[in-house]
Amino acid sequence: DIQMTQSPSTLSASVGDRVTITCRASQSISSWLAWYQQKPGKAPKLLIYKASSLESGVPSRFSGSGSGTEFTLTISSLQPDDFATYYCQQYNSVWTFGQGTKVEIK
Amino acid sequence: QVQLQESGPGLVKPSQTLSLTCTVSGGSISSGGYYWSWIRQHPGKGLEWIGYIYYSGSTYYNPSLKSRVTISVDTSKNQFSLKLSSVTAADTAVYYCATRRTGYYRYWGQGTLVTVSS
Repeated sequence: DIQMTQSPSTLSASVGDRVTITCRASQSISSWLAWYQQKPGKAPKLLIYKASSLESGVPSRFSGSGSGTEFTLTISSLQPDDFATYYCQQYNSVWTFGQGTKVEIK
Repeated sequence: QVQLQESGPGLVKPSQTLSLTCTVSGGSISSGGYYWSWIRQHPGKGLEWIGYIYYSGSTYYNPSLKSRVTISVDTSKNQFSLKLSSVTAADTAVYYCATRRTGYYRYWGQGTLVTVSS
C-alpha cells in the first residue's frame, strides 16, 4: 500500500493567516492526489483533485500544488469557516488517506 | 446531483455480520460511469477505503479487509450494500458510502455510526 503522511497533525492559526499543510506519499503518485475538508459529524468535502484542480464552488483561497511524492494544501487567508480537519487522499494505486491535519483556532 | 444515504443497524454483536445499505438518488446506478464505494472512519481517526462496486457487479476490495467484505448492488432499487463478517470492536466506526467517476470522491453520504459490542 502507498502510505500518506501529513504534517503537521495539528496546526494553530488565526483568522487571516496563510496556512500550509503538507502530504507526503511513500512512493510516487504523479498528480493523483485529492484534498478534503471535514467538520465534526460531517462527511468529508472535496476541495482539490489532481493535486491542483479546484473543485467547483470551493473558494479560491484554497490551492494545491505538488507532484510525485510531496504535496501541499494552502489556505491563503484563513477564514472562520476553515477551522476543520483536512485529509489528503492518493488514487494512484488503491485509495489511501493521510491521517489528517486539524486546523484549530490559535 | 447525486445524493447518498446510508442505513442499517447501529449496533452489531461481536462475531456477527455488519450489514449496511446505501440508497442513491439524483442519479441511476445502472447508468454507469460511477464507482460505488464504502469508506469508514474509526472514532477520532482517519479514513479507510473498504471497497467499491460497479453497476455491472464487478468489485474491488481493500486487501486488508478482503476476506471479510462483500459489496453488492441492486440496480432495481438503486442501492448498493456492504457486508462485513466476523466483526470485532476494531470494526466500530462511522461508515460512509461515496461515489466517484475517477479517483476522488465528490459525493458522500452523511455517514452512519456502527458500534460493535455485546
